[in-house]
Amino acid sequence: SQQGEEDPQALSIQEGENATMNCSYKTSINNLQWYRQNSGRGLVHLILIRSNEREKHSGRLRVTLDTSKKSSSLLITASRAADTASYFCATASSSNTGKLIFGQGTTLQVKP
Amino acid sequence: EAQVTQNPRYLITVTGKKLTVTCSQNMNHEYMSWYRQDPGLGLRQIYYSMNVEVTDKGDVPEGYKVSRKEKRNFPLILESPSPNQTSLYFCASSQGARETQYFGPGTRLLVL
Repeated sequence: SQQGEEDPQALSIQEGENATMNCSYKTSINNLQWYRQNSGRGLVHLILIRSNEREKHSGRLRVTLDTSKKSSSLLITASRAADTASYFCATASSSNTGKLIFGQGTTLQVKP
Repeated sequence: EAQVTQNPRYLITVTGKKLTVTCSQNMNHEYMSWYRQDPGLGLRQIYYSMNVEVTDKGDVPEGYKVSRKEKRNFPLILESPSPNQTSLYFCASSQGARETQYFGPGTRLLVL
């Protein structure tokens, strides 16, 4: 079942520019997570933001969460060619099962 | 080093020939999960396990079996593989269903 949906599906920018990806979801959540996947490889956790948090930073990453709009954004500042990857949001529902549900991802290409 | 390992990484097989993909984690995580990733469909959960001897179906369990006899291992079994099970498979583990998931490197399966 689809929970997080990323927007845009694909994004192409120049090195040094900022990249913003958005995620919308439908049900109430316990937390929202962002993952990165290099082509054909395993997903790597980037950041987790809990439902009572509004913003979180990690290095060049900034994540915001707006629970009233059921949306989150991931901002990568001063992008590098090495940031080229697919980025997924995953939501953990506040129900008992609580399992993560992944969106379909945003494919980011950073041109050198 | 904390990690999730999967074997084999690549597998070509024929319809109906039983196979097992192994998954092992060294982080003493209670929660383990199997996903398949297909173009345009994102990451879909096949089965998950909350702890030893506790497993449950995910979103796409048909044609798969799992077992959790030890905390560290969570093998995925395809009793009679079919071509529609050709996919990229990921094992993941976490301390809890809602927490950060650590992914294995993936197993690319082709069923002829």
